[in-house]
Amino acid sequence: RKEVEQDPGPFNVPEGATVAFNCTYSNSASQSFFWYRQDCRKEPKLLMSVYSSGNEDGRFTAQLNRASQYISLLIRDSKLSDSATYLCVVNRQGGKLIFGQGTELSVKP
Amino acid sequence: NAGVTQTPKFQVLKTGQSMTLQCAQDMNHEYMSWYRQDPGMGLRLIHYSVGAGITDQGEVPNGYNVSRSTTEDFPLRLLSAAPSQTSVYFCASSTGLAGGDTQYFGPGTRLTVL
Repeated sequence: RKEVEQDPGPFNVPEGATVAFNCTYSNSASQSFFWYRQDCRKEPKLLMSVYSSGNEDGRFTAQLNRASQYISLLIRDSKLSDSATYLCVVNRQGGKLIFGQGTELSVKP
Repeated sequence: NAGVTQTPKFQVLKTGQSMTLQCAQDMNHEYMSWYRQDPGMGLRLIHYSVGAGITDQGEVPNGYNVSRSTTEDFPLRLLSAAPSQTSVYFCASSTGLAGGDTQYFGPGTRLTVL
């Protein structure tokens, strides 16, 4: 079992749709959590950190459930420019970042 | 600021050759790391460093060496290239790993080993 697992995707949605990505992690000692975005063949870029209380950045909402070891990302009112691969990232204790395999999103007109 | 730079962008090696992938950052970040990305596998941590003179192994360190003699540079050395090392390699840096600390990635090196 992978330490960080994501929905395999791809997700194909129309513009304006709401889409949710799920991620689970197996190491209960994990300390911090992130969502990164990666465009085709480019480097990953931080989308948002994920806090225990949940946090929102415009159309993006991230949630963390430490008891269930579950992280989510909700995108509202999807835009064509949201098409990318979304990476769930966990900071395992000791300074190691562990990436999920990514979930591909394709937003269609 | 140039951010994180990597050279070369593309490289083709023959099995058994050695080479060094260069990574540099000009943001005075203490934390630097190397990842490889293979289709369907996500990014996997090879080695990382929490400061000059300090390095440690990640998930997939075999076949790779690193050193960190300065804050700015974190080269990755392939000792004897194998076809299984064909991948895209990303270097990253950050001030730390706490919530809110952004990992800045370089543009990547696409390596093919024949």
